[in-house]
Amino acid sequence: GESVGLHLPTLSVQEGDNSIINCAYSNSASDYFIWYKQESGKGPQFIIDIRSNMDKRQGQRVTVLLNKTVKHLSLQIAATQPGDSAVYFCAENGGNTPLVFGKGTRLSVIA
Amino acid sequence: DGGITQSPKYLFRKEGQNVTLSCEQNLNHDAMYWYRQDPGQGLRLIYYSQIVNDFQKGDIAEGYSVSREKKESFPLTVTSAQKNPTAFYLCASSFGPLRNQPQHFGDGTRLSIL
Repeated sequence: GESVGLHLPTLSVQEGDNSIINCAYSNSASDYFIWYKQESGKGPQFIIDIRSNMDKRQGQRVTVLLNKTVKHLSLQIAATQPGDSAVYFCAENGGNTPLVFGKGTRLSVIA
Repeated sequence: DGGITQSPKYLFRKEGQNVTLSCEQNLNHDAMYWYRQDPGQGLRLIYYSQIVNDFQKGDIAEGYSVSREKKESFPLTVTSAQKNPTAFYLCASSFGPLRNQPQHFGDGTRLSIL
């Protein structure tokens, strides 16, 4: 099984609301985490990353929170827009290997 | 613009046939990767390469082969030994080393069986 997973496979939010996408990881050696957005028929697009020496990092309308105590990662999207509809993946760098990806959460924005 | 180009976008394979998927990057990245994505699933690592003329197996390498003769190119061959090749194949690249570097992805090749 994968060491990175998501609590909810689908998430529906009203346009303008905030979205929170969660991710659990199990490898305590992981010290680098990334969120990707994948639109239908396209490759994943980098959103934001965070290193384990940080608890929070903000980008444009997005915030990533890292809780190392419970091995939990979340992506917050402010004022969700229809263009945010996509599948979101978290990934970790557990050990000396390439990134390990979770299965993804599909975000649907209701207009 | 710099980026990763995968071709073709759609590919069909006959039974017993080998097919090769192309991946080219002009980002001057050292590392390149191939992933397989099945419907509703995450990405599974097939092969990766950290430098030219070197590559390592990922989690699902059986039935696939790669080469890394040039820094810019990392082609993937899906051999006839891969019995369930229908999937979306994604190529990625990153600055080396493997850790603490975001991977940048191409827009994939969708492979189907005739």
